[in-house]
Amino acid sequence: GENVEQHPSTLSVQEGDSAVIKCTYSDSASNYFPWYKQELGKRPQLIIDIRSNVGEKKDQRIAVTLNKTAKHFSLHITETQPEDSAVYFCAASPDSSYKLIFGSGTRLLVRP
Amino acid sequence: ETGVTQTPRHLVMGMTNKKSLKCEQHLGHNAMYWYKQSAKKPLELMFVYSLEERVENNSVPSRFSPECPNSSHLFLHLHTLQPEDSALYLCASSQVGGSYGYTFGSGTRLTVV
Repeated sequence: GENVEQHPSTLSVQEGDSAVIKCTYSDSASNYFPWYKQELGKRPQLIIDIRSNVGEKKDQRIAVTLNKTAKHFSLHITETQPEDSAVYFCAASPDSSYKLIFGSGTRLLVRP
Repeated sequence: ETGVTQTPRHLVMGMTNKKSLKCEQHLGHNAMYWYKQSAKKPLELMFVYSLEERVENNSVPSRFSPECPNSSHLFLHLHTLQPEDSALYLCASSQVGGSYGYTFGSGTRLTVV
């Protein structure tokens, strides 16, 4: 089955700097890669996703890149703000929006 | 509410108790899931229901018993749990083949004493 590894487990950046979180997956059949943000005490919420027919997707300050050959994908947050502080999870699925397998999460702290 | 409602929000139970977690989705999705979220661990997929049929059981102990009576409701029945079962239990739903990923419920924070 699918296995998703996520790094780093914690990340601390200064406000305004960029943050990058990386994930690798094992199942070459995976074709859907969402990212979720979970604030303290709240539910995970989808912030951006990418499908295997696209190499990069951007939405304002966040972007995701996908390298199918290397089987890794990354989340990039630019101009970080304190409200970006949260736990971020990557996930992968071979069957779009079905049976997502999650990475272990990255706790991002943005220092004011 | 985002469309996926979980009750109760918090639950404390003894190891000999029987309790149930409830999840309800109002999004018209055709798949529902139970995940376990423990400290410093990935979200662990427990059960998957697609079109009300259980399609996956990821080696979950039999003290956890899911039930999906219809496409909008999902239950997790609990009995004779262990302290290590204490965790946040998240329900999610999705439209298989759809474009919007999962929608999660707020979770039930379970403490087994």
